[in-house]
Amino acid sequence: NAGVTQTPKFQVLKTGQSMTLQCAQDMNHNSMYWYRQDPGMGLRLIYYSASEGTTDKGEVPNGYNVSRLNKREFSLRLESAAPSQTSVYFCASSEGEERNSPLHFGNGTRLTVT
Amino acid sequence: AQSVTQPDIHITVSEGASLELRCNYSYGATPYLFWYVQSPGQGLQLLLKYFSGDTLVQGIKGFEAEFKRSQSSFNLRKPSVHWSDAAEYFCAVRGGGATNKLIFGTGTLLAVQP
Repeated sequence: NAGVTQTPKFQVLKTGQSMTLQCAQDMNHNSMYWYRQDPGMGLRLIYYSASEGTTDKGEVPNGYNVSRLNKREFSLRLESAAPSQTSVYFCASSEGEERNSPLHFGNGTRLTVT
Repeated sequence: AQSVTQPDIHITVSEGASLELRCNYSYGATPYLFWYVQSPGQGLQLLLKYFSGDTLVQGIKGFEAEFKRSQSSFNLRKPSVHWSDAAEYFCAVRGGGATNKLIFGTGTLLAVQP
């Protein structure tokens, strides 16, 4: 009963390096999300995918790109990492975009950019 | 756009004492409200949700929350706190239409004293 799986769990990058955070869900959910969590700021939405084949910007999309590879997988890419992107990243999924559809979260990826 | 305020950054209670975590929201119509809990190093777990109907909702782990439209509040309560309740708690609101993304408060960190 995996739910939402994120890889890697931890990552250290140097400024300017690139990397992709992976996320997969096994609940047959239509919608998927990427959030970042910073101390004192709660969780902020980076990008989301309402359904397979669509992606949209959230509150803080600058410096990131996403790919909805298929219904199960939604990846987040940092093309040129910056220290300001040091954060904990959470992937989430929900059955749909309906308001009563709760989000299910992965355990996060802790990223440090030096 | 909707927003959420959690006025208490950090709360400490004694084990066995009662708990109330505050949450105020801003949204023009009836909001969909959620409480999530995050244990250290983990993702977010849904505690309870309010959509409509009875303003007192029950959740998992003995938590409950009361929706008060007149005060724009959705406070989380527990009659007797256990040491395992030490965690960070997030209130979240989901609006409708173009604003139906889940917006989080900044969180309240709960410490439990023996």
